[in-house]
Amino acid sequence: NAGVTQTPKFQVLKTGQSMTLQCAQDMNHNSMYWYRQDPGMGLRLIYYSASEGTTDKGEVPNGYNVSRLNKREFSLRLESAAPSQTSVYFCASSTHYEQYFGPGTRLTVT
Amino acid sequence: DAKTTQPPSMDCAEGRAANLPCNHSTISGNEYVYWYRQIHSQGPQYIIHGLKNNETNEMASLIITEDRKSSTLILPHATLRDTAVYYCIVRVEGGANNLFFGTGTRLTVIP
Repeated sequence: NAGVTQTPKFQVLKTGQSMTLQCAQDMNHNSMYWYRQDPGMGLRLIYYSASEGTTDKGEVPNGYNVSRLNKREFSLRLESAAPSQTSVYFCASSTHYEQYFGPGTRLTVT
Repeated sequence: DAKTTQPPSMDCAEGRAANLPCNHSTISGNEYVYWYRQIHSQGPQYIIHGLKNNETNEMASLIITEDRKSSTLILPHATLRDTAVYYCIVRVEGGANNLFFGTGTRLTVIP
């Protein structure tokens, strides 16, 4: 089992560019999540998907969109990147009590 | 979800027990106490969770006070690889299962 995988690992964008962060899990979990972590801070929830076909906003959804493509995949899109979106992005999937996290995508917006 | 309070940092000698405290005085009756840790810049890792009874697994023990307003995570024999940020989170089990992370406790295990 690969667990939770994320691509890319690193990305540098210019202000105004768009990109999609990809996440996939092979554990047959219903729920998936996107978090961001700024330096010295804890993780903050951007969006989550309780099951295939549903998505909901988390604590910091502005500037992001998500797609739950199927049970395995949950993508995060930045339509017009801003320097404030420089962060590390983590994807996770969960059983009813335990979340499993991917290795993260380190995004810099200049 | 209830708010938690943790010390920002702690040190522990290698081989000794690390006791990490957490206050959650506003916890509700159906909220569980969860512990995760984040080693360097990796994704967080689940450690343990409990409702009101003490819990133990291969990684750690969780001691919850009788009034449930505080808890302690115990790493019985800390190693250098246990150096990490430890997050105490309280939440209702089930549902969307989203977690609210604070800033946690940075544990440094000293050789």
